Amino acid sequence: DAKTTQPNSMESNEEEPVHLPCNHSTISGTDYIHWYRQLPSQGPEYVIHGLTSNVNNRMASLAIAEDRKSSTLILHRATLRDAAVYYCILDSNYQLIWGAGTKLIIKP
Amino acid sequence: NAGVTQTPKFRVLKTGQSMTLLCAQDMNHEYMYWYRQDPGMGLRLIHYSVGEGTTAKGEVPDGYNVSRLKKQNFLLGLESAAPSQTSVYFCASSWDKVSYEQYFGPGTRLTVT
Repeated sequence: DAKTTQPNSMESNEEEPVHLPCNHSTISGTDYIHWYRQLPSQGPEYVIHGLTSNVNNRMASLAIAEDRKSSTLILHRATLRDAAVYYCILDSNYQLIWGAGTKLIIKP
Repeated sequence: NAGVTQTPKFRVLKTGQSMTLLCAQDMNHEYMYWYRQDPGMGLRLIHYSVGEGTTAKGEVPDGYNVSRLKKQNFLLGLESAAPSQTSVYFCASSWDKVSYEQYFGPGTRLTVT
């Protein structure tokens, strides 16, 4: 199964942009790249997903490398409410394959 | 519009006991999923359903059974609980296949002693 690699944790200052990296070197041509986040003691929440082109929505932007072996989730202006574990996930045969994610710490 | 709800929120079982977790969604979604999350880890798929009356195995199905008798409900059963099944269980639903956004419930914290 295709897998993802993310840093265990990252810190950022409030109101600054955050770039969360993800490596997925074994991705196949039909695998979508998904990002979810999980706030403490809550269920995961969808953030964004894409296949080949960069994607934007109200929450974030997703930048996908040309070879698709890596991607970056961009939070344009982090707030304290964005402190969460962010998961970069690939889908494979109807299943989302989750890694351990990146714990994002926002400093006021 | 409640979204995805899970019952119960907490449960403590003794080894060998059985129980059923209930997941309900009011979004008319076709796809439903059961996941487990162990401390410090991502979610792992237990079973999923692509429509009423259908179920399929996920990554870690052993020791669990599921049923989808009604489109809005997805039940997860533990026939003989084991300490290794201590975990937080999340239910999710989506309009279509996994490439679509999944909506998650608040989770059920299960402890097996």
